[in-house]
Amino acid sequence: KAGVTQTPRYLIKTRGQQVTLSCSPISGHRSVSWYQQTPGQGLQFLFEYFSETQRNKGNFPGRFSGRQFSNSRSEMNVSTLELGDSALYLCASSRRGNEKLFFGSGTQLSVL
Amino acid sequence: QKEVEQDPGPLSVPEGAIVSLNCTYSNSAFQYFMWYRQYSRKGPELLMYTYSSGNKEDGRFTAQVDKSSKYISLFIRDSQPSDSATYLCAMPSQGGSEKLVFGKGTKLTVNP
Repeated sequence: KAGVTQTPRYLIKTRGQQVTLSCSPISGHRSVSWYQQTPGQGLQFLFEYFSETQRNKGNFPGRFSGRQFSNSRSEMNVSTLELGDSALYLCASSRRGNEKLFFGSGTQLSVL
Repeated sequence: QKEVEQDPGPLSVPEGAIVSLNCTYSNSAFQYFMWYRQYSRKGPELLMYTYSSGNKEDGRFTAQVDKSSKYISLFIRDSQPSDSATYLCAMPSQGGSEKLVFGKGTKLTVNP
């Protein structure tokens, strides 16, 4: 059974640009969550989607947005990138969202 | 007060040692607890999942929950160099069960 797939693995952008990250969950999983991981703050929750609906959102500015498609695949978008957005962005899937999460390997975003 | 606190270490032990990793939490309503292991350049993977107080054992790993003290522990017996990783505790946030709150992680190195 294929795991959670995130693309791309690495991304370099400059300040002010926008970026879209993609996540394909494990087959049969309807919940997709996104987390930001930095050395200083650790893992922080961005948002969670279930059946195309955002059910929960973390304390991030509106520049961070996401969506989920009918096949459960998800994308997150960050607009007007700032240096502080440099981080590992992790996607996780689960059957219902309130239990065991399976993480992808992440997208390492560097903002220059 | 942070929802979850975890000593970041780093922790360095010789092969074969017993390792103890700990987290404290603030919300007495938390019902279940998880430990994730994260290797370098990888996403976290679920190691242990426990609902209640007491111990849960899985091979060389034992998860312990003390709800009266709001304290959880992960013990690793007969530690191996392959156990070298960052260990993160996690639990559902008071902001909603779809949102996990993570400790900042303890980096463990097991020396051969």
